[in-house]
Amino acid sequence: QQPVQSPQAVILREGEDAVINCSSSKALYSVHWYRQKHGEAPVFLMILLKGGEQKGHEKISASFNEKKQQSSLYLTASQLSYSGTYFCGTEESDSWGKLQFGAGTQVVVTP
Amino acid sequence: KAGVTQTPRYLIKTRGQQVTLSCSPISGHRSVSWYQQTPGQGLQFLFEYFSETQRNKGNFPGRFSGRQFSNSRSEMNVSTLELGDSALYLCASSRRGSYNEQFFGPGTRLTVL
Repeated sequence: QQPVQSPQAVILREGEDAVINCSSSKALYSVHWYRQKHGEAPVFLMILLKGGEQKGHEKISASFNEKKQQSSLYLTASQLSYSGTYFCGTEESDSWGKLQFGAGTQVVVTP
Repeated sequence: KAGVTQTPRYLIKTRGQQVTLSCSPISGHRSVSWYQQTPGQGLQFLFEYFSETQRNKGNFPGRFSGRQFSNSRSEMNVSTLELGDSALYLCASSRRGSYNEQFFGPGTRLTVL
């Protein structure tokens, strides 16, 4: 089942913060976060596993609430390069290896 | 380290034809997943192959099929093309370990006329 992402879009000024949320009704093994710029392939940002382990880029911050099956991606002190569409992907505990994506959150950072 | 490569990058076909897309994973990655991306439906999971076996499948009709070779390269085939199959087809490779992060190729843009 595809996760639900919110908000659909957000506009920020450089230096502002934003939070993108992702939720699932299924028990999850992991939550992934990717960013896709126009005309490019999605790029891996972070993965969070049930149990608390996580791996990703240093400047990326995210959390995973296992009880609620919710994850949040935190864009802090945003830069122009943060613009793009952010996707969360979820692996359900009973279908490991099958990554299902949310609809995406379009982020625009303006000077 | 070379990234994921996909060929061809662009394809134009007509309804009823079939098409084969190719994906070469990052060296050492044995899992290849395929996704369809359209403006209306977003990123949809098609299937995943690992060690030449399909391990997971999305909700697509049987016209969509794939296979993986012993060198981990993968192909995806779509038969009897429909207008609605026009999309960006992305493949992604991973090590399929505890951390199953996906590394995406540039995609194949398929247009069905």
